[in-house]
Amino acid sequence: EVLLQQSGAELVRPGSSVKISCKASGYTFTDYYMHWVKQRPEQGLVWIGRINPANGNTVYAEKFKSKATLTADKSSNTAYMQLSSLTSEDTATYFCTSLGYWGQGVMVTVSS
Amino acid sequence: DVVLTQTPPTLSATIGQSVSISCRSSQSLLHSNGNTYLHWLLQRPGQSPQLLIYLVSRLESGVPNRFSGSGSGTDFTLKISGVEAEDLGVYYCVQGTHAPYTFGAGTKLELK
Repeated sequence: EVLLQQSGAELVRPGSSVKISCKASGYTFTDYYMHWVKQRPEQGLVWIGRINPANGNTVYAEKFKSKATLTADKSSNTAYMQLSSLTSEDTATYFCTSLGYWGQGVMVTVSS
Repeated sequence: DVVLTQTPPTLSATIGQSVSISCRSSQSLLHSNGNTYLHWLLQRPGQSPQLLIYLVSRLESGVPNRFSGSGSGTDFTLKISGVEAEDLGVYYCVQGTHAPYTFGAGTKLELK
């Protein structure tokens, strides 16, 4: 069974950074790109970027190039996304996905 | 970036009714490799999105065959032949032909 298990909810201060994880199981981690998607409350889906776990190559949406950093650890089959300089605009649920499979989402709340 | 325009934004249906959702792209989604990377997702309330249809018309494993996809170039359609209660939620089209990936704004399917 394919699973994408994401880390838990985060409450962070404005201006800080957060790193969330996505552990993959049930398939060969390096066979599929891992995408990250943002969803603000009651809003639609926004693509942040994707990483090729096989070689670490990344592609970002323009608006996230200075916001998000995607990495992947082949030894632990885990993908990571770090978000920096957080503001209230970053309060959202973040999903990792291979498109065919989706993590459960991580709610990041930015608040002082 | 490619803009995907979904219509209608909201769809009211009775159980057993057949409905269609349109997704129009601002540019052709036919890739130079011959594939068209247009997919359909369903996000049920409180859940992660799930893949229903990939590459325009291919039914994801485990998805009921009352769902079907069609189209080419810039015009695509998702059809549900006989809505069931479990089909309620928000439907998104997503394209991966042109970077960055982009999503439609969503179509909310609700019971009449």
